[in-house]
Amino acid sequence: AIRMTQSPSSLSASAGDRVTITCRASQDIIRSLAWFQQEPGKAPKLLMFGASTLERGVPSRFSGSGSGTDFTLTINSLQSEDFATYYCQQYYTYPRTFGQGTKVDIK
Amino acid sequence: EVHLVESGGGLVQPGGSLRLSCAASGFSFSNYEMNWVRQAPGKGLEWISFISGSDDGGDETVYYADSVKGRFTISRDNAMQSLFLQMDSLRVDDTSVYYCARERAEGEIDYWGQGTLVTVSS
Repeated sequence: AIRMTQSPSSLSASAGDRVTITCRASQDIIRSLAWFQQEPGKAPKLLMFGASTLERGVPSRFSGSGSGTDFTLTINSLQSEDFATYYCQQYYTYPRTFGQGTKVDIK
Repeated sequence: EVHLVESGGGLVQPGGSLRLSCAASGFSFSNYEMNWVRQAPGKGLEWISFISGSDDGGDETVYYADSVKGRFTISRDNAMQSLFLQMDSLRVDDTSVYYCARERAEGEIDYWGQGTLVTVSS
């Protein structure tokens, strides 16, 4: 199975900050990578697919980049509603695999 | 509007069985591939199973995570717009919130249900 490794596991930031989360795949997944946001007690929400395509309705302060094995999710000007846990997931092959998550909390 | 509503969770003893259901609405269910993803309390997301969409009445393609292979069975009833997960030989470490999730043609999951909690404990 493809292993997805996110870093950092957690970070503290202030509203207005720029935040970057990285995700590394254990083998080439081309651009078959999605990012999800999960608030406590809620289902995950799709933010990005194809490594850099913003899902409809997601604010443009979210952006994604990367291909192959290294990917990045960036949140520009962090808002209060962005404090949540973020997961990357590869959908290049089965079994699908998720990163372990990055919790973004308030500094 | 797309809606996915899971049901069937609850408390079960180790070694027991449970059948989860996911009622879909707001889209043409038979045209979409579906997944089950689970999340243990305080832990991350774990994909556990996939089933292909309608394929001219032929056999569906299914995949499982190694952690559930041989114990869990995914199925669907397109006429009822429903997805199922039969869980047998349940273990304590199967305790999780179980989500059904819709998959788009390119493979990304775009919609999730609200989840149903399965607790395996004696």
